[in-house]
Amino acid sequence: FLLTQPHSVSESPGKTVTISCTGSSGSIASNYVQWYQQRPGSAPTTVIYEDYRRPSGVPDRFSGSIDTSSNSASLTISGLKTEDEADYYCQSYDSNNHWVFGGGTKLTVL
Amino acid sequence: QVQLMQSGAEVKKPGASVKVSCKASGYSFLAYPIHWVRQAPGQRLEWMGWVDAGDGSTKFLQKFQGRLTLTRDTSANTAYMELTSLRSEDTAVYYCSRFRYWGQGTLVTVSS
Repeated sequence: FLLTQPHSVSESPGKTVTISCTGSSGSIASNYVQWYQQRPGSAPTTVIYEDYRRPSGVPDRFSGSIDTSSNSASLTISGLKTEDEADYYCQSYDSNNHWVFGGGTKLTVL
Repeated sequence: QVQLMQSGAEVKKPGASVKVSCKASGYSFLAYPIHWVRQAPGQRLEWMGWVDAGDGSTKFLQKFQGRLTLTRDTSANTAYMELTSLRSEDTAVYYCSRFRYWGQGTLVTVSS
């Protein structure tokens, strides 16, 4: 089971960007998807868990969704700020309940 | 608040072993499994396995079979990851993680 993300995306401050995460087999809706933000030199932090839930402290500019028609999860960040520049990873589970990560997407805010 | 505090950086020679600790605080240690994830330089996150903090059972990727041991000490609220027969490809930052929370990472460098 693989999760495929775009290698990189870029957008201007104040705009909205969406990062996709496409499952290779089965239904992505069958297991929860998490999204992690990782700034250079830092540990990942959770920005979305269980498909769309936001941990306390994460701005509501961050939202998650599932699209069964494309077998994809998406992370949408609105009102982009330069501090959002980071790598973003999606994570779900395979048939053995092992964590599976996407390849990561580098977000550039320019 | 929930915290996962990992042990410090390690430098090891090929063939040696490394043991990384992850001390949990701010929640009931027994309630959540501890996952271990590593990230080689410039690479993606790679899940290695988990240990059930309650009963000590483990699950891990087949590629680490025979080299990876995951344990926990419930009296110390601490989980451990031991990797043996180290090779240069094991050079990475190793993270422990609990649902929604991550440790700060431990750099393990394997070099002769």
